[in-house]
Amino acid sequence: ELKVEQNPLFLSMQEGKNYTIYCNYSTTSDRLYWYRQDPGKSLESLFVLLSNGAVKQEGRLMASLDTKARLSTLHITAAVHDLSATYFCAGPGSWGGGADGLTFGKGTHLIIQP
Amino acid sequence: GAVVSQHPSRVICKSGTSVKIECRSLDFQATTMFWYRQFPKQSLMLMATSNEGSKATYEQGVEKDKFLINHASLTLSTLTVTSAHPEDSSFYICSARRGGTAYYEQYFGPGTRLTVT
Repeated sequence: ELKVEQNPLFLSMQEGKNYTIYCNYSTTSDRLYWYRQDPGKSLESLFVLLSNGAVKQEGRLMASLDTKARLSTLHITAAVHDLSATYFCAGPGSWGGGADGLTFGKGTHLIIQP
Repeated sequence: GAVVSQHPSRVICKSGTSVKIECRSLDFQATTMFWYRQFPKQSLMLMATSNEGSKATYEQGVEKDKFLINHASLTLSTLTVTSAHPEDSSFYICSARRGGTAYYEQYFGPGTRLTVT
């Protein structure tokens, strides 16, 4: 059974600063997902990382995957208020063995203050 | 492309009644659909996986008789919460996956907020 751990779970930072969210997972996985969720809303897909060493960037967000270390990171560069949200990482794997239902981390609640 | 809709977006029902939630893939055929539940300020938990024309696969701790899932076509899956109770109040989110080379992509619906009074 896949377990996904994120840290930190809560992060308050100032605009303009850089920070990294970490996602560790327990078993071998060939891909890792990052999502954003705004209050009261569903998930917005940010990145799908498909291989070891994969790095993807979109605006101020950059995600990477190290399958050997079972670690993915989401790096925020020069944060702006609009990035305030909850960020989830997720990997494929479920107890029921369903075809790649996702197991989510607990989420990182990010607040960016002016 | 790859839009998933859910209906209704919000529903309030009385304890003991049943509620049906629909999940539709609007512009693609979904070989597999997934149902997740999210309690306030918590993460998403996979409830079940459904494939068109076959029985759903439920996760540990999810009652099959309480959460009935039907995947009648390649564009529609339904989740029926039977005999709902206040503890079933939650945000239910579906996702859909299409086959082929994009097998890894999951497209999430906007969610259905269920309140049981």
